[in-house]
Amino acid sequence: QVQLQESGPGLVKSSETLSLTCTVSGGSIRNYYWSWIRQPPGKGLEWIGNMYNTGSTNYNPALKTRVTFSVDTSKNQVSLKLNSVTAADTAVYYCATVGRDAYGEASNIDNWGQGTLVTVSS
Amino acid sequence: DIQMTQSPSSLSASVGDRVTITCRASQSISRFLNWYQQKPGDAPKLLIYTASNLQSGVPSRFSGSGSGTDFTLTISSLQPEDFATYYCQQSSSIWWTFGQGTKVEIK
Repeated sequence: QVQLQESGPGLVKSSETLSLTCTVSGGSIRNYYWSWIRQPPGKGLEWIGNMYNTGSTNYNPALKTRVTFSVDTSKNQVSLKLNSVTAADTAVYYCATVGRDAYGEASNIDNWGQGTLVTVSS
Repeated sequence: DIQMTQSPSSLSASVGDRVTITCRASQSISRFLNWYQQKPGDAPKLLIYTASNLQSGVPSRFSGSGSGTDFTLTISSLQPEDFATYYCQQSSSIWWTFGQGTKVEIK
């Protein structure tokens, strides 16, 4: 399986844009579907969205107006942008690969990065 | 969106115990249900996919069952390394959702 490493600013000011990058090694990002998930400190997991190798995306309806996924195939990276952040967006952010079922449909989250903590300050 | 409710939220058990965690969906999700294990400070790890399929490398003491709205994760004989938080997650809808988690603690 590929190795995933999230990176980006650990501190973002309220109302600004959170930008994270997931650098992938051991395989081409073209061969995978991608997911971002976040976890506020001491709380549960929240799915942010999926991105497919066609470039299409599904975003969590609660975040849809603020989130954008993208890829940079030259750098083998996937990225997340979340704008107009508030303290409620403070969380560990994970990038992950999406496992597919026998029909090739997105099925589960089968390989996770280690996560990166982003704190939103006022 | 589809709501996922786990019970209990936490439990205490001893090494060797049989442990069962339940996950209920707010509407039928067929068998599109996955289970994850998360230890403190670590990323979650996929245990079971599509309700009952064991992910490669996961010990056979873990099993999953269910369909429709009601699902269970069973640990047949709890081991020290199994003390963790467990999450269910549905992939029936294009908008995925997680349960709130079940923390398994040492008795």
